[in-house]
Amino acid sequence: DTEVTQTPKHLVMGMTNKKSLKCEQHMGHRAMYWYKQKAKKPPELMFVYSYEKLSINESVPSRFSPECPNSSLLNLHLHALQPEDSALYLCASSQDPTGHLEQYFGPGTRLTVT
Amino acid sequence: DQQVKQNSPSLSVQEGRISILNCDYTNSMFDYFLWYKKYPAEGPTFLISISSIKDKNEDGRFTVFLNKSAKHLSLHIVPSQPGDSAVYFCATDKLIFGTGTRLQVFP
Repeated sequence: DTEVTQTPKHLVMGMTNKKSLKCEQHMGHRAMYWYKQKAKKPPELMFVYSYEKLSINESVPSRFSPECPNSSLLNLHLHALQPEDSALYLCASSQDPTGHLEQYFGPGTRLTVT
Repeated sequence: DQQVKQNSPSLSVQEGRISILNCDYTNSMFDYFLWYKKYPAEGPTFLISISSIKDKNEDGRFTVFLNKSAKHLSLHIVPSQPGDSAVYFCATDKLIFGTGTRLQVFP
């Protein structure tokens, strides 16, 4: 099974809402990632979890809160977002966090903040 | 400051011919480079990678060339097929993605 799943596929939320994005992989990968991708732009790294511990936070605003409950699951908790946070949020995993090994990406969650 | 650039936003190639996608980077500390392709409504999919100690890596129709002195890499696809039509990103081991090139392969 080389699949990374993400739920939901689409999410519309108001600026006062709290929501969560979920990501799951069953490949035994020990590194998991959140990226944000705006239209016609490359994916931008947000967070890296290595062996279930947060290892990289790319100066992401605190309204985004990641969580890694176990080695297969990754969540992104959203609170008080701004319209400019509307984007495709991609989750990925890899065997290790060195960056030398390929990442497996989920299909993404398309987020719209109204 | 974009450390990894793909200067051609789009490329159109006839089926059966060679597609050449280019990527330039500024940081000589990058150790590893990867290419991904992305179809609409899907996440990026890994294609091929190259270590900075090599200058070429080949996998089937895909070959990546690395010129460290020029801080330049390229992806060659030959022969190109209509199913190769997608957006291609180069990426580094520091998890920085290039700006992307949209490849269209027409019959």
